Amino acid sequence: DVKVTQSSRYLVKRTGEKVFLECVQDMDHENMFWYRQDPGLGLRLIYFSYDVKMKEKGDIPEGYSVSREKKERFSLILESASTNQTSMYLCASSFSNRGSYEQYFGPGTRLTVT
Amino acid sequence: GQQVMQIPQYQHVQEGEDFTTYCNSSTTLSNIQWYKQRPGGHPVFLIQLVKSGEVKKQKRLTFQFGEAKKNSSLHITATQTTDVGTYFCGPGNTPLVFGKGTRLSVIA
Repeated sequence: DVKVTQSSRYLVKRTGEKVFLECVQDMDHENMFWYRQDPGLGLRLIYFSYDVKMKEKGDIPEGYSVSREKKERFSLILESASTNQTSMYLCASSFSNRGSYEQYFGPGTRLTVT
Repeated sequence: GQQVMQIPQYQHVQEGEDFTTYCNSSTTLSNIQWYKQRPGGHPVFLIQLVKSGEVKKQKRLTFQFGEAKKNSSLHITATQTTDVGTYFCGPGNTPLVFGKGTRLSVIA
């Protein structure tokens, strides 16, 4: 079974702190994604990566950065957390060289910024 | 990127009733994917449709892709409480951009 794991299930941080959210997948997927999920807004894409050291902005990249130093790991960084970044963060991964592009999601990290 | 609209946003049904959610795009889609997210859970892939007019079934779930490949639907026959959750659709190309989803509640 494909497994996508995220470093924390729940996280509470203070405004202005630097926050790291880690995601690891064990299926050798090329693509990795970070989404945030808010009530009424659905899933919104923050950043994605097609390969190691590559990154592309999604629909809402402002206030976030990412890092992909190894194929299996994709990190989301909040340089200076703000209360409007309180949300559920979901990581996902998929193959890039097959027709399906089925995405596998991690369990999510619920981040609260106070 | 390609955007899709999902309707309805919410649906409450009595157990045993049928349920349908629709996914509409203003542009032609190469394919479409459907996901289900249970309350408190994460999205899980259900199916991908590729061909114009394609119909696929998974037990009580029937998925259709429109002839013009601009819309899709998910129909659940005789809903059960296990069907509760939010159903998302999105163009199945990378990156996947989801619709806002349809939240289904089933009243026992």
